[in-house]
Amino acid sequence: QVQLVQSGTEVKKPGASVKVSCKASGYTFTSYGISWVRQAPGQSLEWMGWISPYNGNTNLAQKFQGRVTMTTDTSTTTAYMELRSLRSDDTAFYYCARGTIFGVVISEIDYWGQGTLVTVSS
Amino acid sequence: DIVMTQTPLSLSVTPGQPASISCKSSQSLLHSDGKTYLYWYFQKPGQSPQLLIYGVSSRFSGVPDRISGSGSGTDFTLKISRVEAEDVGVYYCMQGIHPFTFGPGTKVDVK
Repeated sequence: QVQLVQSGTEVKKPGASVKVSCKASGYTFTSYGISWVRQAPGQSLEWMGWISPYNGNTNLAQKFQGRVTMTTDTSTTTAYMELRSLRSDDTAFYYCARGTIFGVVISEIDYWGQGTLVTVSS
Repeated sequence: DIVMTQTPLSLSVTPGQPASISCKSSQSLLHSDGKTYLYWYFQKPGQSPQLLIYGVSSRFSGVPDRISGSGSGTDFTLKISRVEAEDVGVYYCMQGIHPFTFGPGTKVDVK
């Protein structure tokens, strides 16, 4: 069965960086893209960006350009999302999820990781 | 960016009764490829979101047929024909034309 298993809770100070991992299994890793979506406490969902494990192409929401790096390691079927220059309003659950972008549209995001809580506090 | 709005933002339903959630987009979600990129997600308390509906009205694997989606253009609806205790949580619509955005969510609880 398709599974996305994320790394554990992180506590960071303002200005630091965090790197969240997402281990995929149960499907051909390079056949689907990985999106990253975050959810601040009590808030809705916010799409951050997407990466193709097939060729490494990324597509980031404008808000995160310059501050987020998305990568994949096909040998371990793991996706990574690094967020730099952390601020208190980056405190949120960060989810990886499977879905593929075709031009300007995205297919259904059908499987989600369990989420990684990142807390930014001095 | 396309803005998604949902009404109501909260809903309390008697078990066995129907429920309906409206989702509106600020622009048409009908793409030039002829498909409409509207999705519905459900998030139980303390869990990750899960896909319910894709392409406006197609149920994802394992989603019961008492849950249905409809609509076109900018107006969409999620209906639950008979609410059960397991339906408690937050429902989000999402549009799939870049940059992708979600609605604010509709919190459903059972009376």
